[in-house]
Amino acid sequence: AQTVTQSQPEMSVQEAETVTLSCTYDTSESDYYLFWYKQPPSRQMILVIRQEAYKQQNATENRFSVNFQKAAKSFSLKISDSQLGDAAMYFCAYRSFQGAQKLVFGQGTRLTINP
Amino acid sequence: DVKVTQSSRYLVKRTGEKVFLECVQDMDHENMFWYRQDPGLGLRLIYFSYDVKMKEKGDIPEGYSVSREKKERFSLILESASTNQTSMYLCASSTTPRTGGGSDTQYFGPGTRLTVL
Repeated sequence: AQTVTQSQPEMSVQEAETVTLSCTYDTSESDYYLFWYKQPPSRQMILVIRQEAYKQQNATENRFSVNFQKAAKSFSLKISDSQLGDAAMYFCAYRSFQGAQKLVFGQGTRLTINP
Repeated sequence: DVKVTQSSRYLVKRTGEKVFLECVQDMDHENMFWYRQDPGLGLRLIYFSYDVKMKEKGDIPEGYSVSREKKERFSLILESASTNQTSMYLCASSTTPRTGGGSDTQYFGPGTRLTVL
């Protein structure tokens, strides 16, 4: 079975600075998807960024980018120019390429933005 | 925009009660999911459904059942609520892309915080 580990329960960063959230995973599969989801306080979970394992290029969405290291099974999220609205719980998730679309989530990292 | 709604934001029930959590999506998605969110554990999959009347067990199905009689609605049932089922419950839905494109992103509801006394 696949597992996802987020070793940083909490992180904080100054507004306008850059922060990196860590995620490692364990799988024997060669094709899969990885995701970062954001859950703002009292608001719905939304997708931040997605990476297909067969793509070598790291995914980027505006200020959000990932560092995908397939051999190391590492998938970190970098947030540049942090904004107050980035404060949230961030979850890393894994999905197999084949079969059901169920996600396996990490424990989450609570990100605080200091003004 | 995709909309996933859940019947209650907060719910308080007593031990032994039968509890129904309802989820409705408006995007004609085939797939629907029920997760449980606990601090330090992240989200864990309880059940999912990939079609009407179809259901599959997730990682923690014990003590729960589900019902999907209509495509847009997926219900989670706690047959006899217990205190260890106090948690945040999240529903999600997604579509299965056709060949050539489409997104299989999971869209989440706002969650139901259930307290069992």
